[in-house]
Amino acid sequence: KAGVTQTPRYLIKTRGQQVTLSCSPISGHRSVSWYQQTPGQGLQFLFEYFSETQRNKGNFPGRFSGRQFSNSRSEMNVSTLELGDSALYLCASSLGDAGNTIYFGEGSWLTVV
Amino acid sequence: GQQVMQIPQYQHVQEGEDFTTYCNSSTTLSNIQWYKQRPGGHPVFLIQLVKSGEVKKQKRLTFQFGEAKKNSSLHITATQTTDVGTYFCAGPENQAGTALIFGKGTTLSVSS
Repeated sequence: KAGVTQTPRYLIKTRGQQVTLSCSPISGHRSVSWYQQTPGQGLQFLFEYFSETQRNKGNFPGRFSGRQFSNSRSEMNVSTLELGDSALYLCASSLGDAGNTIYFGEGSWLTVV
Repeated sequence: GQQVMQIPQYQHVQEGEDFTTYCNSSTTLSNIQWYKQRPGGHPVFLIQLVKSGEVKKQKRLTFQFGEAKKNSSLHITATQTTDVGTYFCAGPENQAGTALIFGKGTTLSVSS
């Protein structure tokens, strides 16, 4: 069974630009959640999508957005990039019920210069 | 808001020594999950504890969930160099969905 796939793995963007990251969950998983990982703040929850609807949202500004497609694939977008957005962005998939295990992808390393 | 705290932040041990990391939540948890992240890697699920006072073992790893379901620990017996990495505990952010609140993690280094 294929794991969670994230693309691109590495990218460099300039301040003010926007970026879109993609995530393909494990087959059969309907929930996709996104996390930001930085050395200072650790792993922070961004949002969760289930059946194409945002079900939970973390404490991030509106520049961070996401969506989920009918095939459960998900994208997240960050607009007007700031230097502080440099981080590892991790996607995680699960079956979707509370208490289900979440499985992380390898992440997308974003550097903002 | 809900917080999950872990101590210590860093731990260095000699190969063969034991290691323990502790996790404390500001609220009662319905379950607690543990993840391991190797340097340069992504978090990998280790285990989930659900019951009060639950103890689970995976080879040299022993996981415990406190009676009040607000704290947990991970103990590694006779560490090996393959145990190197950061260990995170995480609890549900709310009743619905799968969102997790993660502790800052304990980074373990092992010298041979």
